[in-house]
Amino acid sequence: EDKVVQSPLSLVVHEGDTVTLNCSYEVTNFRSLLWYKQEKKAPTFLFMLTSSGIEKKSGRLSSILDKKELFSILNITATQTGDSAVYLCAVEARGNTPLVFGKGTRLSVIA
Amino acid sequence: SAVISQKPSRDICQRGTSLTIQCQVDSQVTMMFWYRQQPGQSLTLIATANQGSEATYESGFVIDKFPISRPNLTFSTLTVSNMSPEDSSIYLCSVEDWVHGYTFGSGTRLTVV
Repeated sequence: EDKVVQSPLSLVVHEGDTVTLNCSYEVTNFRSLLWYKQEKKAPTFLFMLTSSGIEKKSGRLSSILDKKELFSILNITATQTGDSAVYLCAVEARGNTPLVFGKGTRLSVIA
Repeated sequence: SAVISQKPSRDICQRGTSLTIQCQVDSQVTMMFWYRQQPGQSLTLIATANQGSEATYESGFVIDKFPISRPNLTFSTLTVSNMSPEDSSIYLCSVEDWVHGYTFGSGTRLTVV
């Protein structure tokens, strides 16, 4: 059974800190791994990773995938209160199979 | 990427009643996905809606409880029937987006009292 495990489940940091969120997975016939930010209801897309070792960056956020060890990390540098959200990791397999989501990491950034 | 309009945004409903949630996409898509997110939990897929055929339900979800319509390639509805407090959740629709993975609607926060 396909599985996604995120850690930590919750995290409280101060503004300016750097955080690393972890996502490990087990999936048959891997296609991609996706990171989302969920602030209220709708998850918003952050990154889609398909290849190992290639870092994707967007401003203060970056992510990388290790397909050999079956995990991904999401880094956020110089955190701001606006980064407070639940960060979801999901994996997609080839074929008509649904996304499998992890339980998310709830990040709280305090001033 | 696709833009999805979902409504209602939120509702408070009496147990035993039904609520229909709508999603309108600004482009034609083959498959639309319906998710449920119970409080403190992650997203769970309810069903996949294909135009012109019956929806495909995941284990633990049945058509009588969550009937889905897909009349065309840009629109779908999910009905939560005979509601109980356990149905209180966020409901989300989603479509596949080749640029951004999957795009989600704005979500419906349902509270059943």
